Amino acid sequence: GDSVTQMEGPVTLSEEAFLTINCTYTATGYPSLFWYVQYPGEGLQLLLKATKADDKGSNKGFEATYRKETTSFHLEKGSVQVSDSAVYFCALSDRVTNAGKSTFGDGTTLTVKP
Amino acid sequence: DTEVTQTPKHLVMGMTNKKSLKCEQHMGHRAMYWYKQKAKKPPELMFVYSYEKLSINESVPSRFSPECPNSSLLNLHLHALQPEDSALYLCASSQVGMKNTEAFFGQGTRLTVV
Repeated sequence: GDSVTQMEGPVTLSEEAFLTINCTYTATGYPSLFWYVQYPGEGLQLLLKATKADDKGSNKGFEATYRKETTSFHLEKGSVQVSDSAVYFCALSDRVTNAGKSTFGDGTTLTVKP
Repeated sequence: DTEVTQTPKHLVMGMTNKKSLKCEQHMGHRAMYWYKQKAKKPPELMFVYSYEKLSINESVPSRFSPECPNSSLLNLHLHALQPEDSALYLCASSQVGMKNTEAFFGQGTRLTVV
């Protein structure tokens, strides 16, 4: 079955540091890939997505590129802020073959210190 | 309108109570989902409705009873819950059968069973 593996956290960075959160996946079909962010006490918000190989998703300074050859979708940001502190989930879905299921990684908790 | 609205935001219930969680979206999505999320864990899929019909039940105990009265509403009826059912319950919606589409999540209902 489909699976997503994220780098283990927690990750603690100083403000303006570079962020990378690794994500690799296993899928039988041709999934779409997503990064969701969850702030404390809230639901999940879509951060960015990519729907096919070599697509780059970007939003709010975050970027991730769909790499089919390495089955990866690593999240990066050049300069993090305190407000980026949250839990980040990598996810995949193939709604055509998987009847609407999304598969999530375990999440990575990011704390940014001033 | 790109919101999924869940009510109530917080719920405390006894093990003999009956309560319901409600979810509403007006994006024209015909797939709706219930997820359960424990602290520091990814969301776990419970149910999927497609065109108002239950399409996936992930072996959820019968004390959880979903209902989709129309294309905009999704309910989760709760009865005789256990303390281990305490969690954040997330509703989500998406388009049906389209690969390149993300799920939109509500803010969740934080349920405490006492």
